[in-house]
Amino acid sequence: GAVVSQHPSRVICKSGTSVKIECRSLDFQATTMFWYRQFPKKSLMLMATSNEGSKATYEQGVEKDKFLINHASLTLSTLTVTSAHPEDSSFYICSASKAGAGGYEQFFGPGTRLTVL
Amino acid sequence: AQTVTQSQPEMSVQEAETVTLSCTYDTSESDYYLFWYKQPPSRQMILVIRQEAYKQQNATENRFSVNFQKAAKSFSLKISDSQLGDAAMYFCAYRLTGTASKLTFGTGTRLQVTL
Repeated sequence: GAVVSQHPSRVICKSGTSVKIECRSLDFQATTMFWYRQFPKKSLMLMATSNEGSKATYEQGVEKDKFLINHASLTLSTLTVTSAHPEDSSFYICSASKAGAGGYEQFFGPGTRLTVL
Repeated sequence: AQTVTQSQPEMSVQEAETVTLSCTYDTSESDYYLFWYKQPPSRQMILVIRQEAYKQQNATENRFSVNFQKAAKSFSLKISDSQLGDAAMYFCAYRLTGTASKLTFGTGTRLQVTL
């Protein structure tokens, strides 16, 4: 199988605080993980590509100093939302890339709902 | 840049009937993958079906099949014998080959299944 977990599933924080979201590949190693953001009734928007042992690659318009990504091991990537504000409230989804017979496949975590008060 | 377009924001189908969801994409590449993902109310993304661009044969997974028209850059999903559990958001997605290649998603189609 290919299971990806996210923790926490739901978090509520006060404006100005930082929040860390973890993404783990439970039964495989992932050199590449991806972080997406999804607004209500909208599609997934890629925020950044996380590569193990190197700096993340951010999509245009995503503030790298606000959304800190660390991929310190082959099974864990973290997204830290620094100095969170209400406009950062959203659903954050990670995926991990796994090699398979037909190439690489992305497996998704269950998502984290962030609410900033 | 690659783009994926889903022109149907919402679709409805009766249980046991067949429905087709549309997707078009734009790319200058010749080697890539196309996907349909399902997102139920739980919001867990579930892979429904995948198509390699170099394969002419349309992919099939049980009740789900695609009509892949490479020249037209069209990739529709057909759901046969629709079930209540098929109700969800469906996203068409595109990706180049390679481990670090990102997925580009369409805007999604909300599928309702009625009795």
